[in-house]
Amino acid sequence: ETGVTQTPRHLVMGMTNKKSLKCEQHLGHNAMYWYKQSAKKPLELMFVYNFKEQTENNSVPSRFSPECPNSSHLFLHLHTLQPEDSALYLCASSQDALAVVNSPLHFGNGTRLTVT
Amino acid sequence: KQEVTQIPAALSVPEGENLVLNCSFTDSAIYNLQWFRQDPGKGLTSLLLIQSSQREQTSGRLNASLDKSSGRSTLYIAASQPGDSATYLCAVRTRGTSYGKLTFGQGTILTVHP
Repeated sequence: ETGVTQTPRHLVMGMTNKKSLKCEQHLGHNAMYWYKQSAKKPLELMFVYNFKEQTENNSVPSRFSPECPNSSHLFLHLHTLQPEDSALYLCASSQDALAVVNSPLHFGNGTRLTVT
Repeated sequence: KQEVTQIPAALSVPEGENLVLNCSFTDSAIYNLQWFRQDPGKGLTSLLLIQSSQREQTSGRLNASLDKSSGRSTLYIAASQPGDSATYLCAVRTRGTSYGKLTFGQGTILTVHP
């Protein structure tokens, strides 16, 4: 069982909807990440939070809005998305985003998002 | 800009074979390299993490090597089993990028048939 839980597993939304993805980690980590996995493209880092502070925004459009209320929870708020935003959205956590030794990422199972 | 390439894109082998998956990266200034496994519709499971100062890591039937100077890593799977069928991804953490940004390859789709 993964220590990183994502809900919902699947989401279908229209372009005018507002929805949120949720991620929770039970590993005692201090860093959390959102990644996007599109068909036939490598995983792309979207956002990084370290000790609840956003430390990376990888040029993500403003229709994606992250929120990290504490080190265990991470949200991705979605509004006015486009069909090309359809993808698997993966949450991950690690001990410390600044740690470069022995800090592997642990991933959740993802939310499969379809924008119609 | 760091780029990660995985070869082959897909591999199909009979059960019991030993196999090698390849990963290459363009910028050798890395902190570490990580191999992941992804089952269909699922997230990524970390298999092995190799620090830049290390040459290899082993876990069960898996052995990963790292040649940082040539920008290459290999994942060796011994005595493959049908349960090994999955997509295998490698990712590197490059020095000089903010907060250890991971760069992923596109993966190798492995099928082990009985």
